[in-house]
Amino acid sequence: GAVVSQHPSRVICKSGTSVKIECRSLDFQATTMFWYRQFPKQSLMLMATSNEGSKATYEQGVEKDKFLINHASLTLSTLTVTSAHPEDSSFYICSANTGGYGYTFGSGTRLTVV
Amino acid sequence: GQSLEQPSEVTAVEGAIVQINCTYQTSGFYGLSWYQQHDGGAPTFLSYNGLDGLEETGRFSSFLSRSDSYGYLLLQELQMKDSASYFCAVRVVFLYNQGGKLIFGQGTELSVKP
Repeated sequence: GAVVSQHPSRVICKSGTSVKIECRSLDFQATTMFWYRQFPKQSLMLMATSNEGSKATYEQGVEKDKFLINHASLTLSTLTVTSAHPEDSSFYICSANTGGYGYTFGSGTRLTVV
Repeated sequence: GQSLEQPSEVTAVEGAIVQINCTYQTSGFYGLSWYQQHDGGAPTFLSYNGLDGLEETGRFSSFLSRSDSYGYLLLQELQMKDSASYFCAVRVVFLYNQGGKLIFGQGTELSVKP
């Protein structure tokens, strides 16, 4: 089946630094990738939709300059958390539509900002 | 905007049947999905309803009534391993030929007791 590979699985960074998270579709082409953030015991909140070759579409309230999304190819989308702060510590997860109602998710990235 | 409501937690015993309800308000509704998520893991797909009625997949069934903006997930023959968070998610499509995006509910934490 369709697989999305997400790296890193865990990352610890210092406050003020930037962190890049990658999601690759391994056996299919993902023209669209979705990025979610999940705080403990809470829902998956859609942050943005990345589109290959064009600008990402951000959900209301999500800072575009803080969460930079790049979708440079049909198999790779990246999320960069810029100038990270402790409140950005969360579980970040990507997802791709595999056709119709099918969505496959990456394994997630646990970000801790110290 | 979109909003989904589901109970925050449910407790049941092994072998029992449990129903998790979900009500939603959204534009661009294109179907209701259910996902299971264990702590620290990625959501895994359980069931989808694009049309009214019941869908059955093994021990899991899902129901949708579009006129009532309501759906439920039914888990039968509960097992300890079913202890997890369960999310309903609406598939929202605004443009023709777009896969659409998933908007998740707050999640229901299911605890299965011996």
